[in-house]
Amino acid sequence: GAGVSQTPSNKVTEKGKYVELRCDPISGHTALYWYRQSLGQGPEFLIYFQGTGAADDSGLPNDRFFAVRPEGSVSTLKIQRTERGDSAVYLCASSLMEGQPQHFGDGTRLSIL
Amino acid sequence: EDQVTQSPEALRLQEGESSSLNCSYTVSGLRGLFWYRQDPGKGPEFLFTLYSAGEEKEKERLKATLTKKESFLHITAPKPEDSATYLCAVRQTGANNLFFGTGTRLTVIP
Repeated sequence: GAGVSQTPSNKVTEKGKYVELRCDPISGHTALYWYRQSLGQGPEFLIYFQGTGAADDSGLPNDRFFAVRPEGSVSTLKIQRTERGDSAVYLCASSLMEGQPQHFGDGTRLSIL
Repeated sequence: EDQVTQSPEALRLQEGESSSLNCSYTVSGLRGLFWYRQDPGKGPEFLFTLYSAGEEKEKERLKATLTKKESFLHITAPKPEDSATYLCAVRQTGANNLFFGTGTRLTVIP
């Protein structure tokens, strides 16, 4: 497909578990972003990758959250010791390069029971 | 403190009834204002980018304008398929991420 792909589309897990969320950006896009969106709110920035490196991780709420992009394409957002407050839609976006419009996937809806 | 405020929170229009959505922003150096459309259960869909005061962009029934303090999204003769949440976001100097408002939920009634 031509768009940003995120898997899984839904994830339900218990408090304290570890989760991984995957993002496959648009081919050729060097910039990749993770956002989190709660009900009735706009997306909130988590982390930005330029190539393989995390250029800005200032939005990560705490050290339970970590993201990687080892080959400069697919990215994985990892959440350890999940808490109920982590429940949200996690959105991934990519852009051709820094400053260009960001194109979003449909997100992973994460529910922590 | 950087802020993006969208109004109204919700808007109901009759089909064909034109209106405008507002996005007021306070940022330390604007490097772009972005409009997105979001349908339920979907990710935001890019509509427009505006970079400088006085700039305008159009796409079908939508027209976005920008001043030094706010942006408007004008919807001319809307159709039911225009129903969605419209999000405004800014990119500020020194940052690569977008800072979003909370959106305007538009409902167009046939």
